[in-house]
Amino acid sequence: IQMTQSPPSLSASVGDRVTITCRASQSISSYLNWYQQKPGKAPKVLIFAASSLQSGVPSRFSGSGSGTDFTLTISSLQPEDFATYYCQQSFSTLITFGQGTRLEIK
Amino acid sequence: EVQLVESGGGLVQPGGSLRLSCAASGFIFSTYSMNWVRQAPGKGLEWVSYISSSSDTKNYADSVKGRFTISRDNAKNSLFLQMNSLRAEDTAVYYCARDDNTASGVVVSYFGPWGQGTLVTVSS
Repeated sequence: IQMTQSPPSLSASVGDRVTITCRASQSISSYLNWYQQKPGKAPKVLIFAASSLQSGVPSRFSGSGSGTDFTLTISSLQPEDFATYYCQQSFSTLITFGQGTRLEIK
Repeated sequence: EVQLVESGGGLVQPGGSLRLSCAASGFIFSTYSMNWVRQAPGKGLEWVSYISSSSDTKNYADSVKGRFTISRDNAKNSLFLQMNSLRAEDTAVYYCARDDNTASGVVVSYFGPWGQGTLVTVSS
């Protein structure tokens, strides 16, 4: 299953509302997770099962979607949110990630 | 505190072998499935392999099938990745990650805790 994220990169300012999209090449129901990765660090899960917020993750992060189209929304960007974001499907036993979206400071 | 600590990375020649380890602590290792995920320098994330809690099920990415072998020792709280016939394109940071699941309803798996990663460089 191919996962396609858009945009590949994004410039935004602190306080902006940002949306990242992820499209699956076939229906994956809600088997979709989102991760944040900062340079030199391991990824960490933000959202699992398309819309469930991982414990400890700020509520400005939210996820939605089902089937083939999904979104990650950050309601009000904070300085610590500038990072790379990945979607990942666990519908298939052959797990795949999106190519990533790099969120940069404008 | 949950901890995953990878080791065993290093420089190896093409065609060579390497064995990665992941030491787990802070949770009941024997009850969780585990994964290896890698990231080539400057690139995105690539899932490599999965092993169930009892080692009954093992899955591999097509890119490593037949060359890599995942295993675990529940008595020693350890996960392993035996990598043979290494190629330049296997150069990456390798992470171990615990397989977590949704608590109710449809069971969706995701990567919960991750280790800090170990760098494997395949070069002559």
